Amino acid sequence: AQTVTQSQPEMSVQEAETVTLSCTYDTSESDYYLFWYKQPPSRQMILVIRQEAYKQQNATENRFSVNFQKAAKSFSLKISDSQLGDAAMYFCAYRSANTGNQFYFGTGTSLTVIP
Amino acid sequence: GAVVSQHPSRVICKSGTSVKIECRSLDFQATTMFWYRQFPKKSLMLMATSNEGSKATYEQGVEKDKFLINHASLTLSTLTVTSAHPEDSSFYICSASDRPISGNTIYFGEGSWLTVV
Repeated sequence: AQTVTQSQPEMSVQEAETVTLSCTYDTSESDYYLFWYKQPPSRQMILVIRQEAYKQQNATENRFSVNFQKAAKSFSLKISDSQLGDAAMYFCAYRSANTGNQFYFGTGTSLTVIP
Repeated sequence: GAVVSQHPSRVICKSGTSVKIECRSLDFQATTMFWYRQFPKKSLMLMATSNEGSKATYEQGVEKDKFLINHASLTLSTLTVTSAHPEDSSFYICSASDRPISGNTIYFGEGSWLTVV
């Protein structure tokens, strides 16, 4: 199984500021997908952003962007103009492009947004 | 968009009994569904892959006789926790896709809280 590591169990950010969540992964595959999921207290998994490994351009979704470094196997999430509603657990996830649809999740980062 | 629904959202059962959790794809056919388990403040751990019409594939360390998975139709997979014990208390989440290989969208259910007393 692939391994996904999130080294920051907890992070906090001031409202309207920017925060970056770290994620590294280990794989021998060249074709895969990376994701950031948000899990609010409701526990519903919400897709924040997705990156295809074959794409060099970093994915962006409104206030959310990633820094994908394929050689370094790093996939960080940047949240700009943080809002109170961004407070949640954030999980980095890996999914193979060839061997199935199962996700391998990191341990998560709990993000607190300070008003 | 496609929706995956889990039922029940919360269940309490007595130790030693069995409990069934359903995962349904509401507007698409899911050839494959996945079951995850999440302990409090922990990550999601893949338990098994549920394949329609065939036996589930379990991850290492997951007791297949304890966590029975049935994928009887293209829209329904069930997870039955047999002879439940308090340590089985957890949050269980399923996910589903309308295609067997990556590149498509994966949908997560809302999750089911199981408490064994």
